Amino acid sequence: DVKVTQSSRYLVKRTGEKVFLECVQDMDHENMFWYRQDPGLGLRLIYFSYDVKMKEKGDIPEGYSVSREKKERFSLILESASTNQTSMYLCASSLVESSYNEQFFGPGTRLTVL
Amino acid sequence: SQQGEEDPQALSIQEGENATMNCSYKTSINNLQWYRQNSGRGLVHLILIRSNEREKHSGRLRVTLDTSKKSSSLLITASRAADTASYFCALPYNTDKLIFGTGTRLQVFP
Repeated sequence: DVKVTQSSRYLVKRTGEKVFLECVQDMDHENMFWYRQDPGLGLRLIYFSYDVKMKEKGDIPEGYSVSREKKERFSLILESASTNQTSMYLCASSLVESSYNEQFFGPGTRLTVL
Repeated sequence: SQQGEEDPQALSIQEGENATMNCSYKTSINNLQWYRQNSGRGLVHLILIRSNEREKHSGRLRVTLDTSKKSSSLLITASRAADTASYFCALPYNTDKLIFGTGTRLQVFP
């Protein structure tokens, strides 16, 4: 059974903290994605990685960075958390080079920044 | 980049009824995907329809695609309480990415 796992289901952090969200997939997928989901705005792409150490900014990269040192692991980093980063964060993975490929999602991390 | 627009935003029905939700888009696509999201969870892929297909079935799901009208519909027949979820259409862009609509929230009452 294919799987994308995220390190935490719920996370509460304080403003200014550095936050790490981790995502691991066991499907040997090249592509990995980080989205945030907010009511009324749908899913918005933060960052995309198409290979180890390769990354591409999505639609809303400001305030975030990413790390992909191993193929199966993609980390999202909030350098200095702010209250407007309170959101649901979703990680996904897919095979490379075909828009016919479905994306497989993790269960999500609901982050609250106080 | 374009985003699919789902309609309606919310839908409430009784168990056993059919649920229909629609997705419209602006530019040409080579496929369209539908995903389901149970409350507070990740998205799950339901079905993909290619631009040369008009209709596709998967269990109680039926998806249609009308490329001339740039619209797709997802029909869930004989709905169950377990179908309660949000449903999203997703459009491809820039080779490997998808852009998701804002979703239709479906509530099925027992």
